[in-house]
Amino acid sequence: QLVGSGGRSGRPGRSLRLSCEASGFKFGDYDMSWVRQAPGKGLEWLAHINPSGHDTHYADSVKGRFTISRDNANNSLFLEMNSLRVEDTAVYFCARERYYFRSGAYYYDSWAQGTLVTVSS
Amino acid sequence: EIVLTQSPPTLSLSPGARATLSCRASQDIGLFLAWYQQKPGQAPRLLIYGASNRATGIPARFSGSGSGTDFTLTISSLEPEDFAVYYCHQRTNWPPWTFGQGTKVDFK
Repeated sequence: QLVGSGGRSGRPGRSLRLSCEASGFKFGDYDMSWVRQAPGKGLEWLAHINPSGHDTHYADSVKGRFTISRDNANNSLFLEMNSLRVEDTAVYFCARERYYFRSGAYYYDSWAQGTLVTVSS
Repeated sequence: EIVLTQSPPTLSLSPGARATLSCRASQDIGLFLAWYQQKPGQAPRLLIYGASNRATGIPARFSGSGSGTDFTLTISSLEPEDFAVYYCHQRTNWPPWTFGQGTKVDFK
């Protein structure tokens, strides 16, 4: 199970930290990602982190502003969001990536419920 | 960046009907495609991975096909719980990983 938290309202330019707490599985064995969904819009992948936390990737829309990290000892995933913009308003999901040997790729097999971030002046 | 284009944007059908959803990639992605279902207020759920493999617990009425740039999700006979938005997603070896804009299946 994944439980996201930390979403709230803020002004443009502010910072916010989202958390995602994992339970029921060995968190440190899995790649993880953050995906967001603006109101009434589709899904957008934002950031990915490997099990050790040493390898990360970002979408261009958040590169340099957002940082994904993890604490395997405490089964937690984080998204540090800096220099927030109005267009960052969205529901943010954390998702577990499972490797499917049959297809040779990773897909999101478990998602948190989503936490809402609203950025407005 | 690989762009995924889904069609149609909305599919209006009745329970029991067959639904055919399309996803086209801007470049060859082999079989690295998944389909997700999302209901209002909920997180997405994985339906199909590797273009044609059903995820755990997904009913047999859902099937995926295609390769390269053209993919299809078929729901053989719509159940009331299938009315939702469906997204395709490409997961090639390198980011950015992208989603289609979604197809909404609603009641006719």
